[in-house]
Amino acid sequence: KQEVTQIPAALSVPEGENLVLNCSFTDSAIYNLQWFRQDPGKGLTSLLLIQSSQREQTSGRLNASLDKSSGRSTLYIAASQPGDSATYLCAVKTYGQNFVFGPGTRLSVLP
Amino acid sequence: EAGVAQSPRYKIIEKRQSVAFWCNPISGHATLYWYQQILGQGPKLLIQFQNNGVVDDSQLPKDRFSAERLKGVDSTLKIQPAKLEDSAVYLCASSLPRENTEAFFGQGTRLTVV
Repeated sequence: KQEVTQIPAALSVPEGENLVLNCSFTDSAIYNLQWFRQDPGKGLTSLLLIQSSQREQTSGRLNASLDKSSGRSTLYIAASQPGDSATYLCAVKTYGQNFVFGPGTRLSVLP
Repeated sequence: EAGVAQSPRYKIIEKRQSVAFWCNPISGHATLYWYQQILGQGPKLLIQFQNNGVVDDSQLPKDRFSAERLKGVDSTLKIQPAKLEDSAVYLCASSLPRENTEAFFGQGTRLTVV
């Protein structure tokens, strides 16, 4: 059964800093991995989807990488802004299973 | 393109009462999911539909939770009777019926059971 963990659980950085969020999964037989953003009291907004055959995806200041063999993905946020403050979740779609989510990383970007 | 619509946004009920949530997926999305998200945790799948058939309900507490998707479009999730531990955000998501496709989520319904 797929298990997903995220490190760190919480992160506080000053505005303008580059940062990396980590996602680890136990079963490498995945279809894809999706990164989401969740603002307090809100639903999930999809940020990036990486298929199992891809190594990375980029959208604006966000870059997500995938190393399937080691069971890891990272979300890189460049030049962080206070508006980036939210919880970031990764979810893995595994063969024969549904999306399994990690617990999330709560990010605070201080002005 | 309209997103996944959910209602209500918030609901407060007393324990042992019943409650229902509604979801309208993105047009053309045959796959629909209901997730439960307890505060501080990642979402947990309750049930997955493909059109109007159930694909996975292995984590649905069937003694109190039920869900249906009539005509393969809208879906309702019901809790009867509610318990304190059911307090959570209930998220609906939809996707195309392919394994490698992206999932889109609604705003969720925040349920508080007192």
